[in-house]
Amino acid sequence: SQTIHQWPATLVQPVGSPLSLECTVEGTSNPNLYWYRQAAGRGLQLLFYSVGIGQISSEVPQNLSASRPQDRQFILSSKKLLLSDSGFYLCAWRTGTITNYGYTFGSGTRLTVV
Amino acid sequence: GIQVEQSPPDLILQEGANSTLRCNFSDSVNNLQWFHQNPWGQLINLFYIPSGTKQNGRLSATTVATERYSLLYISSSQTTDSGVYFCAVPKDGGSQGNLIFGKGTKLSVKP
Repeated sequence: SQTIHQWPATLVQPVGSPLSLECTVEGTSNPNLYWYRQAAGRGLQLLFYSVGIGQISSEVPQNLSASRPQDRQFILSSKKLLLSDSGFYLCAWRTGTITNYGYTFGSGTRLTVV
Repeated sequence: GIQVEQSPPDLILQEGANSTLRCNFSDSVNNLQWFHQNPWGQLINLFYIPSGTKQNGRLSATTVATERYSLLYISSSQTTDSGVYFCAVPKDGGSQGNLIFGKGTKLSVKP
């Protein structure tokens, strides 16, 4: 079956510390993968997307980076966290065909930078 | 870029009531998605609906692409329908699947 895993669920990190959030999918190959952030107040903002191994596109310039070392693995990183990096981070995977598709989201990581 | 606006921003219903949520978008789209985010943060894809009407149980959605809006209907609401409902459309033609989300409608269903 097709599933998406995201961890950790909750994270509290001090300002200036590094970050690594991992997302993996199962039951598919060569998926389109996405990282979104949801700040308090509901809106979801696309941060990065990837259409294949080593292919990363950034939507918003910021303190974060993403990598895709394997086909079904997508990692969100930071070398030094800022207070403004706090938020709810969601990994997503596009499913279906090019003309009839949907999205499956991971359960999210709630990051608090203190 | 394309703008997505949702209304109302907040909605409180008594269990059993019906409701209509609206999504307006500023440019032509070839795809529109509706999502539900439960109080624990999990996002569930409800509908892929670029045009026409679809139904899934007590939920249905209609998109009128020529007039640039979509509606989500919830009938006989239940407390489990509470959460935030988002609509989303592709950015820049959407070949990569990147979505632009509206700010959502927060629905609270009271028992």
